[in-house]
Amino acid sequence: ELKVEQNPLFLSMQEGKNYTIYCNYSTTSDRLYWYRQDPGKSLESLFVLLSNGAVKQEGRLMASLDTKARLSTLHITAAVHDLSATYFCAVDDFGNEKLTFGTGTRLTIIP
Amino acid sequence: DAGVTQSPTHLIKTRGQQVTLRCSPKSGHDTVSWYQQALGQGPQFIFQYYEEEERQRGNFPDRFSGHQFPNYSSELNVNALLLGDSALYLCASRAGVFNYNEQFFGPGTRLTVL
Repeated sequence: ELKVEQNPLFLSMQEGKNYTIYCNYSTTSDRLYWYRQDPGKSLESLFVLLSNGAVKQEGRLMASLDTKARLSTLHITAAVHDLSATYFCAVDDFGNEKLTFGTGTRLTIIP
Repeated sequence: DAGVTQSPTHLIKTRGQQVTLRCSPKSGHDTVSWYQQALGQGPQFIFQYYEEEERQRGNFPDRFSGHQFPNYSSELNVNALLLGDSALYLCASRAGVFNYNEQFFGPGTRLTVL
């Protein structure tokens, strides 16, 4: 059974600081997604990582994928309050036709 | 393009009742998946429909059933509701199967079981 683990589960950080969220998974999939979820809302797609070594950046967020290590990271640069949300990684395991989500990281940016 | 739409937005039911949730996929999409997200948890896959058939199913009891219509819209039915069924139910659509086409999520239906 595919397992997807994120850490940390909770993260409070000050504005202007940098931090990284880690996503480990147990399959050989090379397709990984990052989503953002605001309280009570649906999932907003942030990044789609499609191959080993993929790196994507959007504003203060950068995601990378290392399929050999079965690890993806979401790096936050110079955090701002608007980034406060819960972030999920999800793995698309080819042949299973479903997304398996991590536990989520609840990020709070403190002014 | 309206994207994935779901109805209703919120729903309150009592234990033992039955509920039907609805989903219309994004234009051009023919595959619909349903996910349950309990409070504080990540979404969990319930099942997927393609060509009006259930193709994949997660670890959910038979109380959870679904249907897909010829226009690709879908329903999720839950019978004999339990308190633990309270969750945000998300519908996602994609184009085709056996591919890595991205799934797009709808706004969700918040179900509360009292």
